[in-house]
Amino acid sequence: AQSVTQLGSHVSVSEGALVLLRCNYSSSVPPYLFWYVQYPNQGLQLLLKYTSAATLVKGINGFEAEFKKSETSFHLTKPSAHMSDAAEYFCAVRGASGNTPLVFGKGTRLSVIA
Amino acid sequence: EPEVTQTPSHQVTQMGQEVILRCVPISNHLYFYWYRQILGQKVEFLVSFYNNEISEKSEIFDDQFSVERPDGSNFTLKIRSTKLEDSAMYFCASSQQGNSNQPQHFGDGTRLSIL
Repeated sequence: AQSVTQLGSHVSVSEGALVLLRCNYSSSVPPYLFWYVQYPNQGLQLLLKYTSAATLVKGINGFEAEFKKSETSFHLTKPSAHMSDAAEYFCAVRGASGNTPLVFGKGTRLSVIA
Repeated sequence: EPEVTQTPSHQVTQMGQEVILRCVPISNHLYFYWYRQILGQKVEFLVSFYNNEISEKSEIFDDQFSVERPDGSNFTLKIRSTKLEDSAMYFCASSQQGNSNQPQHFGDGTRLSIL
């Protein structure tokens, strides 16, 4: 079985500051990991995914995440926050075999302060 | 860029009534999914669908739920006799292939409110 834990339901950063959203996973099989973003009144948009190639994954809007097997982590970072980054961010995991469903974390709401 | 579209955006229904939530997946996608998110909780998997049959379903997807692909474009979720606890945001998703490394593309969701 797979699961993810997102540390911090709400993170607040100043504009221009580093964004760090934490995700730890648990998986009995090699995982595929995803970050999705949800802007107000919109659906889930894929930011980036890890599928066992490079451990440092670059996504859209300047976000990246690093897969660390030893720490069972897949934290999301962005060097400099922009006001438009304010949204809900979800980490999700799938087992690496077959058509398994996405298992989501509870989400982290990112606020960006001017 | 092609999108998954869901209608309606908001549905208000009396408890005990039937509702049908509609989704139009991306046109060349073959795998379809429903998820739901109760306010303040995680996004949870309900069901996956491929080749006109359910591939997998969660414990949440009990006998009151059903899915259908009535034509070549729509994918529907029916809740037969709604309960207060069915109030949630329901997301449809689709993917081109079923491999786990393939991303699922989500619609904007339908907010279902049961009174």
